[in-house]
Amino acid sequence: ETAVFQTPNYHVTQVGNEVSFNCKQTLGHDTMYWYKQDSKKLLKIMFSYNNKQLIVNETVPRRFSPQSSDKAHLNLRIKSVEPEDSAVYLCASSFGTGGAAETLYFGSGTRLTVL
Amino acid sequence: GDQVEQSPSALSLHEGTGSALRCNFTTTMRAVQWFRKNSRGSLINLFYLASGTKENGRLKSAFDSKERYSTLHIRDAQLEDSGTYFCAAEAAGGNYKPTFGKGTSLVVHP
Repeated sequence: ETAVFQTPNYHVTQVGNEVSFNCKQTLGHDTMYWYKQDSKKLLKIMFSYNNKQLIVNETVPRRFSPQSSDKAHLNLRIKSVEPEDSAVYLCASSFGTGGAAETLYFGSGTRLTVL
Repeated sequence: GDQVEQSPSALSLHEGTGSALRCNFTTTMRAVQWFRKNSRGSLINLFYLASGTKENGRLKSAFDSKERYSTLHIRDAQLEDSGTYFCAAEAAGGNYKPTFGKGTSLVVHP
């Protein structure tokens, strides 16, 4: 089966803890993304990587760090989570270099709740 | 199978014309969103609907939970409308996590 796999589906943690989300795509795509969807339903790009190289790094707190071991994996680590980090985090991939015409394949999302 | 089936996968329009994108759902959804992706990978939120229709400029969206579909109508297409459009639906019940359609790649020609 080829798709974008995200784990965990849900995670509940306390302020100050560290969390890691994993994302793997088996589609052979070159570009991977992390998005954050907040309580207002706005979907914002956080990072994108093309062949392990960072190409988009939006303004996010420094406690967020992407980790790419190869082009099929893009993990997201959050050091010392804050309450405002509670959101749905979505991983996606695309075939090319991230242009507007490229479709995205999304993972199932990780819902983070910070208590 | 996929919970969200988006069509068409690709669409070509001449400036000034219009068309509709559609998402069919295989289960009951409580809300739907429509996005447009730009060249940086950003997803611009176009609409969020829990029911009925919404209109914003040349775009209009409808959502019918009972009939399990949503549409996005574009009229008087402009060159800057080109991009990839996604619908994302939220299943009824449970915590919110959106399920995305496969996207529609729209190209508007002069």
